[in-house]
Amino acid sequence: GESVGLHLPTLSVQEGDNSIINCAYSNSASDYFIWYKQESGKGPQFIIDIRSNMDKRQGQRVTVLLNKTVKHLSLQIAATQPGDSAVYFCAETLTGGFKTIFGAGTRLFVKA
Amino acid sequence: ETGVTQSPTHLIKTRGQQVTLRCSSQSGHNTVSWYQQALGQGPQFIFQYYREEENGRGNFPPRFSGLQFPNYSSELNVNALELDDSALYLCASSSQGEWISEKLFFGSGTQLSVL
Repeated sequence: GESVGLHLPTLSVQEGDNSIINCAYSNSASDYFIWYKQESGKGPQFIIDIRSNMDKRQGQRVTVLLNKTVKHLSLQIAATQPGDSAVYFCAETLTGGFKTIFGAGTRLFVKA
Repeated sequence: ETGVTQSPTHLIKTRGQQVTLRCSSQSGHNTVSWYQQALGQGPQFIFQYYREEENGRGNFPPRFSGLQFPNYSSELNVNALELDDSALYLCASSSQGEWISEKLFFGSGTQLSVL
């Protein structure tokens, strides 16, 4: 399928290392934040979410950190694997709102 | 559980033509959103449909229109195609009503090329 993100910022990590992907969100009123993963030829896939009343949430091998003071999100991936290679987008929305705003994306490349 | 499906997967049109893209939402979901993703960019919100009505719209001209059907499937129509309309068009389903979920479930998209 068509490759997305040919001109995106790229993060290159060694297999087994931890990855940190950062994102600045735009709307101080946003109260729900999501990280999506997009592989080539596919639509974005949900990874993890966090609400504005939290500053950290952990999933399986992934952690999201939220700093509302500076409108910053980060996604941490532990023990990065080749299957983690993809474009990662942060997204923000309002609870009950109709619009999800996506960031520009970061391409993660995992070296075996 | 059936995921979100979109058709066609690829489409080539010429400037000035009209196009219709189709989406079947995930089982149990009543809301459909459409996004445009240009190469190297994040998805941009076009509009959302809930209960067969447009529920919100992004910064897209009126030549972008849609429909939602009683079975929650949806169509995106684009009239008078322009070269800049070339992009990946993504459909996402979610739930609203008694249980609101902002989590979006995306299809694999339709790659539209306008020549």
